[in-house]
Amino acid sequence: DIQLTQSPSFLSASVGDRVTITCRASQDISSYLAWYQQKPGKAPKLLIYVASTLQSGVPSRFSGSGSGTEFTLTISSLQPEDFATYYCQQLNSYPYSFGQGTKLEIK
Amino acid sequence: QVQLVQSGAEVKKPGSSVKVSCKASGGTFSSYVINWVRQAPGQGLEWMGGIIPVFDTANNAQKFQGRVMITTDESTRTAYMELSSLRSEDTAMYYCACGLPMIRGPPGGYGMDVWGQGTTVTVSS
Repeated sequence: DIQLTQSPSFLSASVGDRVTITCRASQDISSYLAWYQQKPGKAPKLLIYVASTLQSGVPSRFSGSGSGTEFTLTISSLQPEDFATYYCQQLNSYPYSFGQGTKLEIK
Repeated sequence: QVQLVQSGAEVKKPGSSVKVSCKASGGTFSSYVINWVRQAPGQGLEWMGGIIPVFDTANNAQKFQGRVMITTDESTRTAYMELSSLRSEDTAMYYCACGLPMIRGPPGGYGMDVWGQGTTVTVSS
């Protein structure tokens, strides 16, 4: 099975900051990586798929990059509504594993 | 755009089974990739398995092999996830989630863009 490791696990930042979350895969997953945002008590929301394609309706301050085994999610200027937990998921091969999550908190 | 509505909360005894439903409205149900994801209290997301109704073949995570059955009923546009031999560690929120299938690439390659509201399953004696 493919393991995904996100870093950092916790991130404290301020409104307006630029933040980057990294997701590393234990083997090559091409570009088949998605990013999700989850707020407490809510279902996850798809932000980015195929590593860098922004899901319809997602603000352009979110961007994704990477291929192979290393991927990043960047939020260019944090807004109050962005404080949440973020997960990466590989969709290259079964089982479609998730990273352990990165909790983004207000500094 | 498809919407997914899941069945209500369940409380089960250890050793029993639970069957959670996920009813789709809108969209072309049979061609979506339907996944089941669970989240234990305070924990991360865990992919359990997925199915494309038109192909009717499920792929499940090895961890749940022999305990999980994912099925669909195209006539009612409903997907089901049945988990057997329940234990306390199965206490979690269970989500169904779907996305369009990728033709040139892995079936779930586009990710899961529509999610159900979640079903709480509590396993307790």
